[in-house]
Amino acid sequence: QQQVKQSPQSLIVQKGGIPIINCAYENTAFDYFPWYQQFPGKGPALLIAIRPDVSEKKEGRFTISFNKSAKQFSLHIMDSQPGDSATYFCAASIRRDDKIIFGKGTRLHILP
Amino acid sequence: EAQVTQNPRYLITVTGKKLTVTCSQNMNHEYMSWYRQDPGLGLRQIYYSMNVEVTDKGDVPEGYKVSRKEKRNFPLILESPSPNQTSLYFCASSLQNLATEAFFGQGTRLTVV
Repeated sequence: QQQVKQSPQSLIVQKGGIPIINCAYENTAFDYFPWYQQFPGKGPALLIAIRPDVSEKKEGRFTISFNKSAKQFSLHIMDSQPGDSATYFCAASIRRDDKIIFGKGTRLHILP
Repeated sequence: EAQVTQNPRYLITVTGKKLTVTCSQNMNHEYMSWYRQDPGLGLRQIYYSMNVEVTDKGDVPEGYKVSRKEKRNFPLILESPSPNQTSLYFCASSLQNLATEAFFGQGTRLTVV
């Protein structure tokens, strides 16, 4: 119930391609879904977040797609660049609560 | 500059020798938390604090202690470290709870031999 399942574990994409990272959850009480980006040797940093009342959110080249009925959400990176190579974590939390559940992460490598 | 500062960045210690990892934030955030990151397991919450003198267990609290005597500081204490606590540790702070942006420190890589 409290898990967030993230896939794939690792992903290699050619520059300019569109990597897609998927996450699925079970607990319908989750109402905040952030994505964090982590570069080697650094702490994670918030990339983009969505609430379940919208189906899509875009910030620059990054887009979250949200499917409430399927309890799934995904991150798409348009026109991917080598500088996007990082580990990406999806997460879910309940706004009135004080806990957050992270997915296990996806190591993304964009080939030049 | 708004930041979360952890010290030390790297630490090698022996089993059973008490250690403290410090965490300090300069954003006047109420909420602070500790995570450990392990390969294939992602980020797991150890403890969190909603405000001064208010702390609670996360998902993997065994073997750890925390305290929150001041708003800006949230140290992580390992009273008797064991090799299974070898990990990469992150401190984070956020304005309110975890439905707001969390700011992470640079991490502390701990090795217990």
